[in-house]
Amino acid sequence: EDKVVQSPLSLVVHEGDTVTLNCSYEVTNFRSLLWYKQEKKAPTFLFMLTSSGIEKKSGRLSSILDKKELFSILNITATQTGDSAIYLCAVVESNSGYALNFGKGTSLLVTP
Amino acid sequence: GAGVSQTPSNKVTEKGKYVELRCDPISGHTALYWYRQSLGQGPEFLIYFQGTGAADDSGLPNDRFFAVRPEGSVSTLKIQRTERGDSAVYLCASSLARGSIAFFGQGTRLTVV
Repeated sequence: EDKVVQSPLSLVVHEGDTVTLNCSYEVTNFRSLLWYKQEKKAPTFLFMLTSSGIEKKSGRLSSILDKKELFSILNITATQTGDSAIYLCAVVESNSGYALNFGKGTSLLVTP
Repeated sequence: GAGVSQTPSNKVTEKGKYVELRCDPISGHTALYWYRQSLGQGPEFLIYFQGTGAADDSGLPNDRFFAVRPEGSVSTLKIQRTERGDSAVYLCASSLARGSIAFFGQGTRLTVV
């Protein structure tokens, strides 16, 4: 059974749209949740979240965690074609402290 | 180096052959991880090194897979008697310490024909 579930699996939007990507998780001992952007092969780090309700922001991207409802969202405003990528969510459990449990990712395509 | 470097970028091998995949982590990072990503899936954890020792190899699928990090820097993932099911992107990541943010390399796409 998947510990981390992302939705939607794929999404097509027009440039300028705002998108919300979802990540729900089910782990015994939560430590942190991370978002990565994967273009071609390499995942690049976006955010790490450990506390509920504190928004992390970087330019047009923002993310927030809800530890009570066990989910996180990643928002992208004013999307650009360069935002086209797979967005991966991963959860780290306290018992390991390092192993990333990834979801399947959301494939985002931004059309001109 | 500036980032995690993996070589080769792509590798095509015949079923039954032996392959080695190399990872050069970010300078000063003591923790190193290998992940495997199959098509349409998220990366799956294979092994974690702290320094020279494999602290956790619970993700290695079977005994055909082995990894080393003899001097606590560069790591090599070795796959014996490759099978078509081993075809995937193999990702290496490093972090400053155990539990710190992991930074990934470009990956090696392995194709077993």
